[in-house]
Amino acid sequence: KAGVTQTPRYLIKTRGQQVTLSCSPISGHRSVSWYQQTPGQGLQFLFEYFSETQRNKGNFPGRFSGRQFSNSRSEMNVSTLELGDSALYLCASDPALAGGSQTQYFGPGTRLLVL
Amino acid sequence: AQSVTQPDIHITVSEGASLELRCNYSYGATPYLFWYVQSPGQGLQLLLKYFSGDTLVQGIKGFEAEFKRSQSSFNLRKPSVHWSDAAEYFCAVEGNTPLVFGKGTRLSVIA
Repeated sequence: KAGVTQTPRYLIKTRGQQVTLSCSPISGHRSVSWYQQTPGQGLQFLFEYFSETQRNKGNFPGRFSGRQFSNSRSEMNVSTLELGDSALYLCASDPALAGGSQTQYFGPGTRLLVL
Repeated sequence: AQSVTQPDIHITVSEGASLELRCNYSYGATPYLFWYVQSPGQGLQLLLKYFSGDTLVQGIKGFEAEFKRSQSSFNLRKPSVHWSDAAEYFCAVEGNTPLVFGKGTRLSVIA
């Protein structure tokens, strides 16, 4: 099976712009989670989607949002970008069914640089 | 909510030497425990996981980890380190909230 894919791999934006990142989970996986990784804060959970519904949300401002489509592909959006949003954004998919989680498999990430 | 601590920020070992990376967690019940490895510029690769049962877990690339409930620990071990093991290692715990990661331990391997 193909792994988790994320596009684009690299992105440069300026402050105030918005950005959309895409994630395609492993075939058959219905759960997708997003994480932000920075040198200072480490890996932080953003949100989790299962069957197009947000199941969990981390402690991030409302500028960070996401959605999941019927084919389980997911997007996350960050509006009004700030310098501190520069990070590696990781997507993970999970084969677990409703009500639980099993094991998360990560994509290569999208590296976002905000200037 | 659960939390996880990796006490060692950076460890350097000689190639061929044994390795132990420490991980301590905080959670009221038995959590799900994971070790991931990240090479520079890459995503996270799952090394091994513990859900229940045998407390000694075997993973990929010759790694193993032991769950010790009494010490709230899940230390990662490898008997003989290879230069290609140089990377960052993350311990993660899942309890009543989604995955929480430690800050990571960077492993350097010297000849």
